[in-house]
Amino acid sequence: DIVMTQSPDSLAVSLGERATFNCKSSQSVLSSSNNRNYLAWYQHKVGQPPKLLFSWASTRGSGVPDRFSASGSGTDFTLTISSLQAEDVAVYYCQQHYGSPITFGGGTKVEI
Amino acid sequence: EVQLVESGGDLVQPGGSLRLSCTASGFSFSAYWMGWVRQAPGRGLEWVANINQHGSETHYIESGKGRFTISRDNAKNSLYLQMNSLRVEDTAVYYCAAGEGFIVGVHWGQGTLVTVSS
Repeated sequence: DIVMTQSPDSLAVSLGERATFNCKSSQSVLSSSNNRNYLAWYQHKVGQPPKLLFSWASTRGSGVPDRFSASGSGTDFTLTISSLQAEDVAVYYCQQHYGSPITFGGGTKVEI
Repeated sequence: EVQLVESGGDLVQPGGSLRLSCTASGFSFSAYWMGWVRQAPGRGLEWVANINQHGSETHYIESGKGRFTISRDNAKNSLYLQMNSLRVEDTAVYYCAAGEGFIVGVHWGQGTLVTVSS
């Protein structure tokens, strides 16, 4: 199984400041056949279902503000919020979509 | 508007069974992989099972193999999860999700609570 490890577990950021958090996979999720990274990011707010932010490591999901960016390749990935807004308080999860079993990271909780 | 509405969550005793249902609207259900993701109290997201567009390919979390069965009815825009031999550790909110391949959740339901307790 591909183990996804996120860091830090939680992060307190001031409004308007940058938030950066990481996701590491136990094996590469980069496909040699298509040179794409099989890594997704989700935002999960309290009382709501998760929302897809990015797939393929950096392909923005529908309606995702451009203050969110994602990067990385192979085993190391980063999600950045360039200027934190109050509505960004949530837990952020990475998920590998390379193969079964599908696995999520443990999440990073972002607070103000 | 895209909607996924789960139902079937309940309180059940250990060893019991439940069938979760999810009804979709507002998108082309038959074009998507479908799946279930759960969140136990105080825990993170955990993928449970998924099924391809035609129902010919299914995948399960290891702890669900032999106990859970995922199925779909494209004519009814519906997804199901039959859960047998339920354990206390299956207690969670179960989300229905529409995905693309193994990208589990492009669209999500609001979730249904399954509680396994004596």
